[in-house]
Amino acid sequence: GQNIDQPTEMTATEGAIVQINCTYQTSGFNGLFWYQQHAGEAPTFLSYNVLDGLEEKGRFSSFLSRSKGYSYLLLKELQMKDSASYLCAVRPYNTNAGKSTFGDGTTLTVKP
Amino acid sequence: NAGVTQTPKFQVLKTGQSMTLQCAQDMNHEYMSWYRQDPGMGLRLIHYSVGAGITDQGEVPNGYNVSRSTTEDFPLRLLSAAPSQTSVYFCASSRTSANTDTQYFGPGTRLTVL
Repeated sequence: GQNIDQPTEMTATEGAIVQINCTYQTSGFNGLFWYQQHAGEAPTFLSYNVLDGLEEKGRFSSFLSRSKGYSYLLLKELQMKDSASYLCAVRPYNTNAGKSTFGDGTTLTVKP
Repeated sequence: NAGVTQTPKFQVLKTGQSMTLQCAQDMNHEYMSWYRQDPGMGLRLIHYSVGAGITDQGEVPNGYNVSRSTTEDFPLRLLSAAPSQTSVYFCASSRTSANTDTQYFGPGTRLTVL
């Protein structure tokens, strides 16, 4: 099975940088997703990592270390609209997107 | 494209009632899934479908049925509603079974069972 851990809550200041960590233990691994979910809304895709290293997309970057079972989402130049929950999801080996296992999410609050 | 649509947005049921949550996508996606999300928690997979006529159970399938008669539609049926099924339900779809395909989520159905 899968076990995914994320911090429950984080607070940061507008314009700053924040790193949200995700650790996982899986019986097999075939990729890790990050989703953003604003309160009362559906999750939206942010990033996907399957190989070790850093993937950068504008203000958001995601890092993966498969040997350590560790990923982080890095948000730069924080804006008030970045206040949301961030979900880490792991896809086990040889399964489709529909069988990803989600962490409980990290609620990020950005303050002025 | 409307993407993934869900109806209703809100629903209140009494214990023992049955109902169907509707989900449709207009992107010709092969894969569709149903999740539930309880307060402060992540998404848990209920059922999923790899194509029309094919469905399978996820992590928490008890109390729910699904069918996939067309590519577009993937309804979720609650057989006899229980208070433990009070949750937000999300439908999602992805293009194919390829490992790199991401999921697109519908806006959710907020269900309360009294």
